[in-house]
Amino acid sequence: GAVVSQHPSRVICKSGTSVKIECRSLDFQATTMFWYRQFPKQSLMLMATSNEGSKATYEQGVEKDKFLINHASLTLSTLTVTSAHPEDSSFYICSARGKTGPPYGYTFGSGTRLTVV
Amino acid sequence: EDKVVQSPLSLVVHEGDTVTLNCSYEVTNFRSLLWYKQEKKAPTFLFMLTSSGIEKKSGRLSSILDKKELFSILNITATQTGDSAVYLCAVDSLARGGSQGNLIFGKGTKLSVKP
Repeated sequence: GAVVSQHPSRVICKSGTSVKIECRSLDFQATTMFWYRQFPKQSLMLMATSNEGSKATYEQGVEKDKFLINHASLTLSTLTVTSAHPEDSSFYICSARGKTGPPYGYTFGSGTRLTVV
Repeated sequence: EDKVVQSPLSLVVHEGDTVTLNCSYEVTNFRSLLWYKQEKKAPTFLFMLTSSGIEKKSGRLSSILDKKELFSILNITATQTGDSAVYLCAVDSLARGGSQGNLIFGKGTKLSVKP
């Protein structure tokens, strides 16, 4: 089946630093990547949607200058949390969809737990 | 505003019980409804439903969609402790004016199965 690899799985960083999270589709071309965040006991909230080679579309309330998304190729998207603060601590998950991907359309990465201290 | 509502938010049952999880939605440009199981990490796919009245089954799990009444149910029979998880319902809709869709998630139902 389709696999999406997300790294790192856990990261702890100091307040004010930046963190990059990678999401790779291993066996299909991801024409669209979605980035979600999930707070404890909450559902997944879509942050942004990106298509390969174009700018990401951010959901209302998500700061595009703080959460930089790059989708430079059909197999790789990155989310960079810039100048991280403790309130950015959360579980971030990517999801990929491809033209020739699974019939169910979306494959999730394994998630990244970010802790900002 | 598009929304997906799941009920109950949490449920505690004993092994062997049968449970029914509910998902209702109000979404423009509906494309499909998906069920996921989330344990400690990312959600794992269970079912995708696009047509009304056609039951999808996988072992002890089954699901059905009613596009007229805008809801879906997920049934789990003969529950086991390994079924303990958060079950997420999501609706895939075509994004506002675009050709790309996006998933709108409900808050999930936390199922706890006691031995």
